[in-house]
Amino acid sequence: LAKTTQPISMDSYEGQEVNITCSHNNIATNDYITWYQQFPSQGPRFIIQGYKTKVTNEVASLFIPADRKSSTLSLPRVSLSDTAVYYCLVGDRPQGAQKLVFGQGTRLTINP
Amino acid sequence: NAGVTQTPKFQVLKTGQSMTLQCAQDMNHEYMSWYRQDPGMGLRLIHYSVGAGITDQGEVPNGYNVSRSTTEDFPLRLLSAAPSQTSVYFCASSPLTGGNTEAFFGQGTRLTVV
Repeated sequence: LAKTTQPISMDSYEGQEVNITCSHNNIATNDYITWYQQFPSQGPRFIIQGYKTKVTNEVASLFIPADRKSSTLSLPRVSLSDTAVYYCLVGDRPQGAQKLVFGQGTRLTINP
Repeated sequence: NAGVTQTPKFQVLKTGQSMTLQCAQDMNHEYMSWYRQDPGMGLRLIHYSVGAGITDQGEVPNGYNVSRSTTEDFPLRLLSAAPSQTSVYFCASSPLTGGNTEAFFGQGTRLTVV
């Protein structure tokens, strides 16, 4: 499974757009990129998944360049409730519950 | 709409005791798995199952047993609890096939071994 590298922590302010970048230099052809969000004392929650280019849903956007060696999770107009740990995962599809590989994640703190 | 339900939410064990952490899902998902999360760390896979009667080991299986007799339930057994097993345990499930493959997690069981 491809190893991922993401910043340990980030800080931002309410109303700003936040971009969290994940590096996955050894991503394989069949690998998909998935992001999860985890609030304190809760299990992770799926945010978005993609293979290439751009994916957007009601919560976030995922930007994947052509070489797929990195990806960027974009959170538009964040609020205090977006304070959480964000995990970038890379693996074969389907990346179901059976073999998710979590790193340390990025601890995002949103300030008033 | 229960999703993934874990019981108990909190548990304190003495070293050497055994116990079973319960996990049930009502989404008819084939995949189920158990993860542990130590403070400030990401989740690590303990055991997983791709369907009733089929289980396999993950990254950190020692000291834990699982079984999958039904699609809905996937209990995790601690055979002889050790302080190193103090952690938060999460159960997850997901469908076998589909487009975006989202894993659903329970709320966790916080286990302390003294």
